[in-house]
Amino acid sequence: EIVLTQSPGTLSLSPGERATLSCRASQSVSSSSLAWYQQKPGQAPRLLIHSASSRATGIPDRFGGSGSGTDFTLTISRVEPEDFAVYYCQQFGGSPLTFGGGTKVEIK
Amino acid sequence: QVQLQESGPGLVKPSETLSLTCTVSGVSITSYFWNWIRQPPGEGLEWIGYIHYSGSSDYNPSLMSRATLSVDTSKNQFSLNLRSVTAADTAIYYCAKWDEARRAFDIWGQGTMGAVSS
Repeated sequence: EIVLTQSPGTLSLSPGERATLSCRASQSVSSSSLAWYQQKPGQAPRLLIHSASSRATGIPDRFGGSGSGTDFTLTISRVEPEDFAVYYCQQFGGSPLTFGGGTKVEIK
Repeated sequence: QVQLQESGPGLVKPSETLSLTCTVSGVSITSYFWNWIRQPPGEGLEWIGYIHYSGSSDYNPSLMSRATLSVDTSKNQFSLNLRSVTAADTAIYYCAKWDEARRAFDIWGQGTMGAVSS
């Protein structure tokens, strides 16, 4: 099983600041199999990024994904008030599909 | 547009079977792969498994063979049966559509609470 470790656990930021979220895999993951989701309280997760760096339909360009192999990053260039949420990475390079433990982006 | 809606009893007793259904609208269930994912209160996401109408399926070994997924093409629904439940199975259960081209879940249901308690 590929374990995804996300860091930091919590990121405290002010609106307008840059957010950098890390997702590290226990073994190499194909970039085509790495995705990021945003989850707000009481809501289902929403797909943000697929294939490590491709924004899903309707996702603002302040969200960006990068990385390869075992190290992947989600960047929010300037955090907006609606971006405060929990973010999860996910891989399906091999079964079972796994999610990272999540990073909470909170208002500082 | 494609929409998913979970349904099922909110509460089951320990050792019983939790049965949930996901109704798909806006697309035929014979397209795509269909998944269940769960989230214990205050915790992260756990993939349960997927089903394709052809019968192809895969499950998370962490569930120790207690989960079974099935498809009803006549109703455009798919279902989850989770046997021998314990309190550790208490979670919000989501159904989700898998986009093979993007290798990600692009459509999610709103989720349904599945609580295990005597």
